[in-house]
Amino acid sequence: DTGVSQNPRHKITKRGQNVTFRCDPISEHNRLYWYRQTLGQGPEFLTYFQNEAQLEKSRLLSDRFSAERPKGSFSTLEIQRTEQGDSAMYLCASSHNGQGGKLFFGSGTQLSVL
Amino acid sequence: KNEVEQSPQNLTAQEGEFITINCSYSVGISALHWLQQHPGGGIVSLFMLSSGKKKHGRLIATINIQEKHSSLHITASHPRDSAVYICALARGGSEKLVFGKGMKLTVNP
Repeated sequence: DTGVSQNPRHKITKRGQNVTFRCDPISEHNRLYWYRQTLGQGPEFLTYFQNEAQLEKSRLLSDRFSAERPKGSFSTLEIQRTEQGDSAMYLCASSHNGQGGKLFFGSGTQLSVL
Repeated sequence: KNEVEQSPQNLTAQEGEFITINCSYSVGISALHWLQQHPGGGIVSLFMLSSGKKKHGRLIATINIQEKHSSLHITASHPRDSAVYICALARGGSEKLVFGKGMKLTVNP
């Protein structure tokens, strides 16, 4: 069990550019979540996958945001035409049905949009 | 009104003190999570509760469903307990967790 891995750890980009983040969950976990956290706030839910199916999406996930989990393992979160308001920590978490919902979080990707 | 409120927002304690962190909520839930976040972002799940009380080491979590209130207690606090403690709500029919803003705890030696 190597834990939830997120890459990159930090991303600095210019406004208008596209960025993509990757999350590798714990291998047997079928549930994967993306959250966003800004300074001084708790995480906000973005989206949830069960295996490869995206079952829930927050209204926060505008049409510039897209997430995939093509083979039910790793997931990617893409932000197109980034805006300064997208600057935040993007957190990935995974869980397994059999663990009673306990979440395991990655260390996050810190995005700064200049 | 936020669905979940934590109090206090900040707390400074001396090593060895008994600490209580509170979480109140205003909606029906299926479970409540307590999480710990250290500087740098890493979040660790401490407890998931749907009723009663759970204990792990020096940490005790309780929940009162009728009063919509949960507490996290830390006995014999230590400087390594310094972190942000967050409660989060799970609602039936959704995988979305609703997080509180967290409470920053500093334990001084």
